[in-house]
Amino acid sequence: QSVLTQPPSASGTPGQRVTISCSGSSSNIGSDTVNWYQQVPGTAPKLLIYSNNQRPSGVPDRFSGSKSGTSASLAISGLQSEDEADYYCAAWDDSLNGYVFGTGTKVTVL
Amino acid sequence: EVQLVESGGGLVQPGGSLRLSCAASGFAFSSYWMHWVRQAPGKGLVWVSRINSDGSSTSYVDSVKGRFTISRDNAKNTLYLQMNSLRAEDTAVYYCGRSGSYSISAFDIWGQGTMVTVSS
Repeated sequence: QSVLTQPPSASGTPGQRVTISCSGSSSNIGSDTVNWYQQVPGTAPKLLIYSNNQRPSGVPDRFSGSKSGTSASLAISGLQSEDEADYYCAAWDDSLNGYVFGTGTKVTVL
Repeated sequence: EVQLVESGGGLVQPGGSLRLSCAASGFAFSSYWMHWVRQAPGKGLVWVSRINSDGSSTSYVDSVKGRFTISRDNAKNTLYLQMNSLRAEDTAVYYCGRSGSYSISAFDIWGQGTMVTVSS
């Protein structure tokens, strides 16, 4: 059902940089801002990035977001063990008249 | 402390009904849009429904239209989700979330979730 496509997994060693992509269309990413969420299994999601590239207060600057056309990406620099979690992009979809989440990416710290 | 606490989940038979509640505290509930998001076991997040700050506008994901109704009582600082004609595929953890603090589409506060299991 997800209309935003993410790679199922990504990994890196501590200190490395990891990038997660989010591919959408003109009705969602192409016409609205993108938000990113982090979810540690068994807990509620946490807002990580809003409006494509803005960090809420308390989110480390190791996390950054960008958007170009109908795609967006999340980068985690200086990867830490506590970054091991599932990450989801999200945006409003004009065609569906609703919010859509990405398929989710599991980040593993090796 | 800004907080959302869901309740009302449980085991229900197919075709049955359930009403979820989400109690808000620590912020001006009536100023924010509110949402329900669900997550089936081992699956990803799915947005279910949203309601604007005064309750005059709602929207739903296609799979629940005509079966689920979102509402709010600003006097009681509480969000609701009335779920009727429940199906096995509605089995999930249901989260309530707030948006509007950073942007209208960014859910910055989430509840801990309540589990709904639809099974005979």
